Amino acid sequence: DVQMTQSPSSLSASIGDRVTITCRASQNIYRYLNWYQQKPGKAPTLLIYEASTLQSGVPSTFSGSGSGTEFTLTISSLQPGDLATYYCQQSYNIPTTFGGGTKVEIK
Amino acid sequence: EVQVLESGGGLVQPGGSLRLSCAASGFTFSNYAMSWVRQAPGKGLEWVSVISGSGGSRYYADSVKGRFTISRDDSKNMVYLQMNSLRAEDTAVYYCIKKSDSGWQYNWFDPWGQGTLVTVSS
Repeated sequence: DVQMTQSPSSLSASIGDRVTITCRASQNIYRYLNWYQQKPGKAPTLLIYEASTLQSGVPSTFSGSGSGTEFTLTISSLQPGDLATYYCQQSYNIPTTFGGGTKVEIK
Repeated sequence: EVQVLESGGGLVQPGGSLRLSCAASGFTFSNYAMSWVRQAPGKGLEWVSVISGSGGSRYYADSVKGRFTISRDDSKNMVYLQMNSLRAEDTAVYYCIKKSDSGWQYNWFDPWGQGTLVTVSS
């Protein structure tokens, strides 16, 4: 199985800060990496697919980059509504696997 | 609007069975793979199973293989998860999700249903 490791597991940042979350795969997954946002008490929603393509309706403050084994999710200017847990997911191989999540809190 | 809506969760004793249902709308159901992902209380996301758009391919996580069965009825726009021999560690919110195409890989999950809680306890 492809292991997905996210870091950090949690972070606290101020409104307007730039936030970066890293996701590392245990093997080459090319660009088959997706990002999801899960707000408290809600189902996850798709943010970014294939490493860098923003899902329709997602604010442009979100961006994704990377390929191979290392990927990043960046929030260019943190907003109050970004309070959530973020998960990466590889779709290169079965079983599809998720990172452990990064909880983003607002200072 | 593309929507998926789960039902069928509840409290079940260890060793018991439960069938989850998922009703889909707003898209040509038969063209898309469907998947189940679960989330134990306070924990992360765990993929459970996927069925291809044709229904010809089905895959399961090792943790549920031999106990869970995924199926679909394209005439009703429904997908099901039959769960047998349930264990305490199966306790979770189960999400039904539409995949972005008919296959089982190289795609993404969107949208997710609101989830249905399965509690396995005596």
